[in-house]
Amino acid sequence: SQQGEEDPQALSIQEGENATMNCSYKTSINNLQWYRQNSGRGLVHLILIRSNEREKHSGRLRVTLDTSKKSSSLLITASRAADTASYFCATDYSGGYQKVTFGTGTKLQVIP
Amino acid sequence: EAGVAQSPRYKIIEKRQSVAFWCNPISGHATLYWYQQILGQGPKLLIQFQNNGVVDDSQLPKDRFSAERLKGVDSTLKIQPAKLEDSAVYLCASSRSGSSYNEQFFGPGTRLTVL
Repeated sequence: SQQGEEDPQALSIQEGENATMNCSYKTSINNLQWYRQNSGRGLVHLILIRSNEREKHSGRLRVTLDTSKKSSSLLITASRAADTASYFCATDYSGGYQKVTFGTGTKLQVIP
Repeated sequence: EAGVAQSPRYKIIEKRQSVAFWCNPISGHATLYWYQQILGQGPKLLIQFQNNGVVDDSQLPKDRFSAERLKGVDSTLKIQPAKLEDSAVYLCASSRSGSSYNEQFFGPGTRLTVL
């Protein structure tokens, strides 16, 4: 079964607004990654946050990690139509050999 | 730097037929992954190679799926015989090593339709 569960399953916002999506996972991890998938560029890595980090930024992306709640959030600020895509969190199970497992995804639509 | 190459991009077959997918990873990447992505779901790891050895194939349906990476470079994934539930996008990815801290680079995928 998949490790991460994203919430919401789908999100529709206006261009310029912020988009927040969440990921919850079940077991202790070494790190958590966010990937984006759209029809144009396929599945692309966005950002990685380590288990000892609480927040990380990359351009318009802000990721938080709360290991006590086993959850992470991805914030996209000032969204653009090009941000329309599915977003997946990917976690590795710290008790194993570092196998990465993808979540179920959040489908984001940014309306111009 | 050339990305991960996959072929074919699309394949339509009838159930019980066989099919093969090919993947060429980024040059120098030791780790190669095959994922199955069913519509509306996240990618599910089928098999992970480290050079030409299998690291994880726990979710590979071995009665019908097989994969090889003989020279530690390109790889093929085969399904024989195919079932309706095998309809999915098959993604190949590679990374510099098998560490989960390494970014995975994905190919465009092969969309398989089983009729």
